[in-house]
Amino acid sequence: GENVEQHPSTLSVQEGDSAVIKCTYSDSASNYFPWYKQELGKGPQLIIDIRSNVGEKKDQRIAVTLNKTAKHFSLHITETQPEDSAVYFCAAIRGGSYIPTFGRGTSLIVHP
Amino acid sequence: GAGVSQSPSNKVTEKGKDVELRCDPISGHTALYWYRQSLGQGLEFLIYFQGNSAPDKSGLPSDRFSAERTGGSVSTLTIQRTQQEDSAVYLCASSFGRNTEAFFGQGTRLTVV
Repeated sequence: GENVEQHPSTLSVQEGDSAVIKCTYSDSASNYFPWYKQELGKGPQLIIDIRSNVGEKKDQRIAVTLNKTAKHFSLHITETQPEDSAVYFCAAIRGGSYIPTFGRGTSLIVHP
Repeated sequence: GAGVSQSPSNKVTEKGKDVELRCDPISGHTALYWYRQSLGQGLEFLIYFQGNSAPDKSGLPSDRFSAERTGGSVSTLTIQRTQQEDSAVYLCASSFGRNTEAFFGQGTRLTVV
């Protein structure tokens, strides 16, 4: 089955800096890659996603890049703010499947 | 409309007791998932329902765990003879189907004492 590795497990940055979280996946048939943000005491919430027919997608301060050849994808957050502090999960879904496989999560801490 | 609703939000139970966790998905969503999140860990897939198809139970950790989905809507996850290692946050999510956004509930925090 699919295996998703996520790094780093913890990321500490100063407000205004950029943050990058990286994920790799094992199944070359995976074609949908969502990113979720989980705030304390809440369920994960989708923040951005990318499909395998594009290499990059941006939404204001966040962007995701995908390298299908290397089977890795990354989340980029620019101009970080304290409210960006949360746990971020990447996921991969195989084409034809319904079940996301999640990475282990990255705890992002943005210091004011 | 309302999002995915889970109840209870917190549950403390004694070791050996049975518990039932409830999930109300978003209306119209055909897919429903249960995940388990242990302290500091990622999201562990448990079970998946899609429409009237047989559920994918491949993630259930033992036969003490079971789930049902009635009328294609509400789902109940049952854990029999709870053990301390069952303590975790149980998350439910629903989606329109294949390769679409999964919407999560706030979770049920289960503590087995």
